[in-house]
Amino acid sequence: EIVLTQSPGTLSLSPGEGATLSCRASHRGGANYLAWYQHKPGQSPRLLIHSGSKRAAGIPDRFSGGGSGTDFTLAITRLEPEDFAVYYCQYWGTFGPGTKVEVK
Amino acid sequence: QVRLEQSGAEVRKPGASVKLSCRAFGYSFTTYGVAWVRQAPGQGLEWMGRITTHTGDTDSAQSLQGRVSMTVDTSTRTVNMNLKNLTSDDTAIYYCARVGENYGLDVWGRGTTVTVSS
Repeated sequence: EIVLTQSPGTLSLSPGEGATLSCRASHRGGANYLAWYQHKPGQSPRLLIHSGSKRAAGIPDRFSGGGSGTDFTLAITRLEPEDFAVYYCQYWGTFGPGTKVEVK
Repeated sequence: QVRLEQSGAEVRKPGASVKLSCRAFGYSFTTYGVAWVRQAPGQGLEWMGRITTHTGDTDSAQSLQGRVSMTVDTSTRTVNMNLKNLTSDDTAIYYCARVGENYGLDVWGRGTTVTVSS
């Protein structure tokens, strides 16, 4: 069973800045089943990226996913106020612990 | 409109069971699987399991095996999840989600709060 770790645990940034979130898998599984979610308090999680790098329907292009092997990233260019949230990576039936992106 | 509607909040005592439902609207039901994910207070997302809606085949997280079961009723486009032998650690928001391309969960229900307390 794959174990996912995410770093950093918390990212403190200002609106307009860029963010790079990391997700590392305990062993190689391929990028095809790697997904990223955004989760805000009181809301359901929202799929951002699936298949490693494909944006889900309606997701703005400031969100991009990449990586291969055991190392994957979610990049957010020019943070908007609504982007401050917790972000989770998921591989098949496992979620990472999450990265909180907070306002600096 | 593509959506998943979940059943209402539940309160149970330790040792009891709970059955949650998730009804699908707006898409070809048996084309997609349905997964269950939960979030305990102050914790992250936890994968619970998945059901293939056209066969009824299931797989569940190792940590929950033996306690969780999922069933599907294609006539009502509903997936049910049953969790037994509840403890306070099962207090959480339970989400159902559609399993889209390459296991991405692309449509989510609003969640059902389950509280386990004596």
